[in-house]
Amino acid sequence: SQQGEEDPQALSIQEGENATMNCSYKTSINNLQWYRQNSGRGLVHLILIRSNEREKHSGRLRVTLDTSKKSSSLLITASRAADTASYFCATNRGSEKLVFGKGMKLTVNP
Amino acid sequence: SQTIHQWPATLVQPVGSPLSLECTVEGTSNPNLYWYRQAAGRGLQLLFYSVGIGQISSEVPQNLSASRPQDRQFILSSKKLLLSDSGFYLCAFSQGDYGYTFGSGTRLTVV
Repeated sequence: SQQGEEDPQALSIQEGENATMNCSYKTSINNLQWYRQNSGRGLVHLILIRSNEREKHSGRLRVTLDTSKKSSSLLITASRAADTASYFCATNRGSEKLVFGKGMKLTVNP
Repeated sequence: SQTIHQWPATLVQPVGSPLSLECTVEGTSNPNLYWYRQAAGRGLQLLFYSVGIGQISSEVPQNLSASRPQDRQFILSSKKLLLSDSGFYLCAFSQGDYGYTFGSGTRLTVV
């Protein structure tokens, strides 16, 4: 079963704009992770935020986690055409398994 | 450095034929290993995971099986492929409380 649900399912923006993607989940988690997938390729791990963390930064990425609302957001600042990809959130409930959402497609227009 | 190799990149197989996809990991010991399937335009479905040699957990009963004959080798198999087995298969590994590292995937088309 899928734990995380990304929103919106698709987003199209202009280069230089910020992109915000949201993820909601249903049960308690140990950590939440964001991944990027370029078309036809494997997933690339972007960032992991633990349940006791509220915000995390990595380069142009900013992730927030609100465990009370069971939601997370991924912000990509100053987007580039190369950021065009599908983005997935995934939750870990403390076991070996990671459960992925359905993903959302980001298109950054040059 | 830790790397993961998955092959082949693409595969076209007839219905009823067998399948063997292989995944190997380098630069780490005793990783957790995973097989996921991704249908077109959809999320990832966990098929199997393994926490050690010979230890396989199946998430979805289906026409596939997995084996881990060596610490860093994970194999996905089928005796007889179905049309519904078509998809994008991804192998991944993890260690500790860190993110997964994925292979480049195998695009399987069953015809």
